[in-house]
Amino acid sequence: KAGVTQTPRYLIKTRGQQVTLSCSPISGHRSVSWYQQTPGQGLQFLFEYFSETQRNKGNFPGRFSGRQFSNSRSEMNVSTLELGDSALYLCASSWVSRTYEQYFGPGTRLTVT
Amino acid sequence: GQQVMQIPQYQHVQEGEDFTTYCNSSTTLSNIQWYKQRPGGHPVFLIQLVKSGEVKKQKRLTFQFGEAKKNSSLHITATQTTDVGTYFCAGYLDNAGGTSYGKLTFGQGTILTVHP
Repeated sequence: KAGVTQTPRYLIKTRGQQVTLSCSPISGHRSVSWYQQTPGQGLQFLFEYFSETQRNKGNFPGRFSGRQFSNSRSEMNVSTLELGDSALYLCASSWVSRTYEQYFGPGTRLTVT
Repeated sequence: GQQVMQIPQYQHVQEGEDFTTYCNSSTTLSNIQWYKQRPGGHPVFLIQLVKSGEVKKQKRLTFQFGEAKKNSSLHITATQTTDVGTYFCAGYLDNAGGTSYGKLTFGQGTILTVHP
């Protein structure tokens, strides 16, 4: 069974631009969560989607948004990029419930200059 | 706010020594999960503990969940160079009325280096 895939793997953007990251979960997984990982803040929860509905949202500004499609694929968007948005963005999928283990993708390394 | 604290932040050991990382929550956890992230990699699920006082073993790794479901530990016996990486605990806060409910909250991680 294929793992979680994320595209693109690396991205360089300038301040003020927007970016869209994509995540394809493991086949059959319906829950997709997004995390931001930085050296200073560790792994921070962004949001979780299940059956195209956002179930939970972390403490991030409204510039961070996401969505999930009927095939469980998910995208996250960051508008008006700031230097502090430079991070590794990780997507994780799980079977059904939020209490199941998370399977992480390789991440998208975003650099904002 | 509600959070999960993990100590130590760094641990350097000689190969063959034991290693322990501790995880503490300010509130009861419905469950605790442990992940390992190799340098340059992504977190990989190791185990989940659900019951109060639960102890699980995976070869040289022993995981414990505290009686009050507020703390957990991971102990590695006789470390090997393949154990290098960052170990994260993560938990779902068991607070249906709280703002953190349903959000998997990660500890800061313990970075383990093993000297051969």
